[in-house]
Amino acid sequence: DTEVTQTPKHLVMGMTNKKSLKCEQHMGHRAMYWYKQKAKKPPELMFVYSYEKLSINESVPSRFSPECPNSSLLNLHLHALQPEDSALYLCASSHRALTGQKNGYTFGSGTRLTVV
Amino acid sequence: DAKTTQPNSMESNEEEPVHLPCNHSTISGTDYIHWYRQLPSQGPEYVIHGLTSNVNNRMASLAIAEDRKSSTLILHRATLRDAAVYYCILMASNYQLIWGAGTKLIIKP
Repeated sequence: DTEVTQTPKHLVMGMTNKKSLKCEQHMGHRAMYWYKQKAKKPPELMFVYSYEKLSINESVPSRFSPECPNSSLLNLHLHALQPEDSALYLCASSHRALTGQKNGYTFGSGTRLTVV
Repeated sequence: DAKTTQPNSMESNEEEPVHLPCNHSTISGTDYIHWYRQLPSQGPEYVIHGLTSNVNNRMASLAIAEDRKSSTLILHRATLRDAAVYYCILMASNYQLIWGAGTKLIIKP
């Protein structure tokens, strides 16, 4: 299995809703990432998990809450989002966080989130 | 801070070679150069990477300037399926990726 699977593919939520994005990989990668991508822009890093521990939070607002239940799963819990949070949310994984330079990243297809 | 600069868009004819340039004049000695591409409604896909020497794989070739301040991704024979946004990325010795703005490659049949 050489894929990163993200669910759901599309999500529409109201500003008072609570929802979660899910990411799964079975490549034995020990680093997982959340990225946010706005239209016609490159992805922006949000969070890095290394060996199931949060190692990097790029000053992301607390309405985004990541969780890594085990080495294969990564969740992003969403609460009280704003319309400007509408974007494509990408999950990625790599062998190890600090050696991604050699091995590269595998990205999922993303969740297209619309906040209304 | 390191940055990468790419043309906004390029056009090429099908079955012809494509050379996608990237400038990274502030690259540091340990930064790897990665290329990813993103098809519509997909996540980025790894294409190729290198440090100092030119690299070849089944998808593409990467030519790195001797001073490492620029690189060129070469698609030897473009097909319609190669139409995508191509990102030139510097990968630092930690987790950090420095993304270029991307080049939208248009392939004309």
